[in-house]
Amino acid sequence: DSGVTQTPKHLITATGQRVTLRCSPRSGDLSVYWYQQSLDQGLQFLIQYYNGEERAKGNILERFSAQQFPDLHSELNLSSLELGDSALYFCASSVEGLGGLNEQYFGPGTRLTVT
Amino acid sequence: GQNIDQPTEMTATEGAIVQINCTYQTSGFNGLFWYQQHAGEAPTFLSYNVLDGLEEKGRFSSFLSRSKGYSYLLLKELQMKDSASYLCAVSGSSKAAGNKLTFGGGTRVLVKP
Repeated sequence: DSGVTQTPKHLITATGQRVTLRCSPRSGDLSVYWYQQSLDQGLQFLIQYYNGEERAKGNILERFSAQQFPDLHSELNLSSLELGDSALYFCASSVEGLGGLNEQYFGPGTRLTVT
Repeated sequence: GQNIDQPTEMTATEGAIVQINCTYQTSGFNGLFWYQQHAGEAPTFLSYNVLDGLEEKGRFSSFLSRSKGYSYLLLKELQMKDSASYLCAVSGSSKAAGNKLTFGGGTRVLVKP
């Protein structure tokens, strides 16, 4: 158990819909990262937040957005869902995120299926 | 950009040693990480290298050569539970990169009795 929690574990929804994925980082961690893992793309970085502020952006679609709240939990919002958005979405956290090297701990993931 | 290559699949026998190679080409480098991932589960942190050389952690060791853009993960005394995917990841060094990890496609290791 990494200490990172994610809800829900599974989500099945239809194309065109909107969903929200939630993540709580390990106690004391200020940085939260979101990754997408699909069968053909591997593990892809989406976005990082550090202490409430967006820190770095990866291959995140405009239909996707995220935020980190004052209590440091984070939400990833996915809208206008397409079949290709079906994937495992992981949240990870680390102690800091200002360019210093520190390992990231991953949550159990949310498996999103778009039908 | 960043390009990370590792073999797709490897097979080894229980009790043996397996070496998983990873080569990378990056615009910035802050460190190299290795993660283990069982199917459908979260990646779990194994080790990281910042400087050249070998880091040993029990049955797992990881090596880095920054000048060659090369790393390997060595798994010794293989156990059946080591059957998993092993992910090589590079941490960027630029301010824009933050602490994001760029992952290779993963190497699926199958341990046979």
